[in-house]
Amino acid sequence: EAGVTQSPTHLIKTRGQQATLRCSPISGHTSVYWYQQALGLGLQFLLWYDEGEERNRGNFPPRFSGRQFPNYSSELNVNALELEDSALYLCASSPQGAQGDTQYFGPGTRLTVL
Amino acid sequence: SQQGEEDPQALSIQEGENATMNCSYKTSINNLQWYRQNSGRGLVHLILIRSNEREKHSGRLRVTLDTSKKSSSLLITASRAADTASYFCATDGGRNLFFGTGTRLTVIP
Repeated sequence: EAGVTQSPTHLIKTRGQQATLRCSPISGHTSVYWYQQALGLGLQFLLWYDEGEERNRGNFPPRFSGRQFPNYSSELNVNALELEDSALYLCASSPQGAQGDTQYFGPGTRLTVL
Repeated sequence: SQQGEEDPQALSIQEGENATMNCSYKTSINNLQWYRQNSGRGLVHLILIRSNEREKHSGRLRVTLDTSKKSSSLLITASRAADTASYFCATDGGRNLFFGTGTRLTVIP
């Protein structure tokens, strides 16, 4: 069974640009979660999608947004990039919409903002 | 904040020794999970313990939960070099899953 996949592996942008990160969940999983992990810090919850709807949002500005497609894959968009957005962005999935359940993580996208 | 806090922040042991990491949290939970992260990669789920459980085992892992003290511990027995990683506890706050900042474990061969 294929795990959670994320693309691209690395992404380099300059300040003010937009970044788009993609995630494909494990087959059969309907929930997708996005986290930001800045260097040396823990995971900060960004967004939770389930069945195509945004279910919950972390304490991040509106320039962080996303969506979930009918096939349950998801996209995270970060507009007007700032230097402090440089981080590892992790996507996770779970079988259904219960955020406290076990989450299965992808390998992450390393975003660098110059 | 509900976020868990792991202790110690870093731990270095010799191969074959046991490693113990602790997690404290602030509000009531339904369950607590432990995850492992190898350097710069995604997290791998290790074990989930529910609020009505006190101890759980999985291979060389032993997790305890004390809801009265709002704390949990993860014990890795007979450590191996491959156990070198960061370990995170995660607590569910109803709608959110809160991760701590992790314990960095180094197992020296």
